[in-house]
Amino acid sequence: GIQVEQSPPDLILQEGANSTLRCNFSDSVNNLQWFHQNPWGQLINLFYIPSGTKQNGRLSATTVATERYSLLYISSSQTTDSGVYFCAVDLLYNQGGKLIFGQGTELSVKP
Amino acid sequence: NAGVTQTPKFQVLKTGQSMTLQCAQDMNHEYMSWYRQDPGMGLRLIHYSVGAGITDQGEVPNGYNVSRSTTEDFPLRLLSAAPSQTSVYFCASSYGQGSDEQYFGPGTRLTVT
Repeated sequence: GIQVEQSPPDLILQEGANSTLRCNFSDSVNNLQWFHQNPWGQLINLFYIPSGTKQNGRLSATTVATERYSLLYISSSQTTDSGVYFCAVDLLYNQGGKLIFGQGTELSVKP
Repeated sequence: NAGVTQTPKFQVLKTGQSMTLQCAQDMNHEYMSWYRQDPGMGLRLIHYSVGAGITDQGEVPNGYNVSRSTTEDFPLRLLSAAPSQTSVYFCASSYGQGSDEQYFGPGTRLTVT
């Protein structure tokens, strides 16, 4: 089956630092989404990004579908950025749309 | 809009007991789904529905039943709980297919002893 791999598995940053999270996927996909799970467990959709680049404040994401990867950039990190970041893909040939999640990158931002 | 709501937030069951996890959305979304989240394994799809009266299995459907009688509600039933079903359960919805932007509920933490 399709593999979705995220790296690094965990990351510790000092407040103000920048970081890049990576998501590799092994098959063609319709779509890719990035989620943030905060320390209270809530999952928030950050980006819906089948291809190209999108930006939202200090966060941006780039998906290169032909090379089967996506990157999430966090600039000037803040303690509120802490949590787990997931990427999830929807298979190109899938009927009905089923998201397959990576195992996540756990980010801890220290003050 | 309340978005996606789930009840209860926490639940403890004994092996063999049954229960229903509730999920509702007020965004008129056609697509709804249930995931479970276990440590180190990300989220895995249990069941999903593309509209009222239509459901299908996901990656890990065994031990769970679903039905979709209305657009708003998508309950998940555990008929005979097992310790392996200890997990955090998330309900999600989207406007159309699962490939559309997904909105998640706050989750239900279930412990089976």
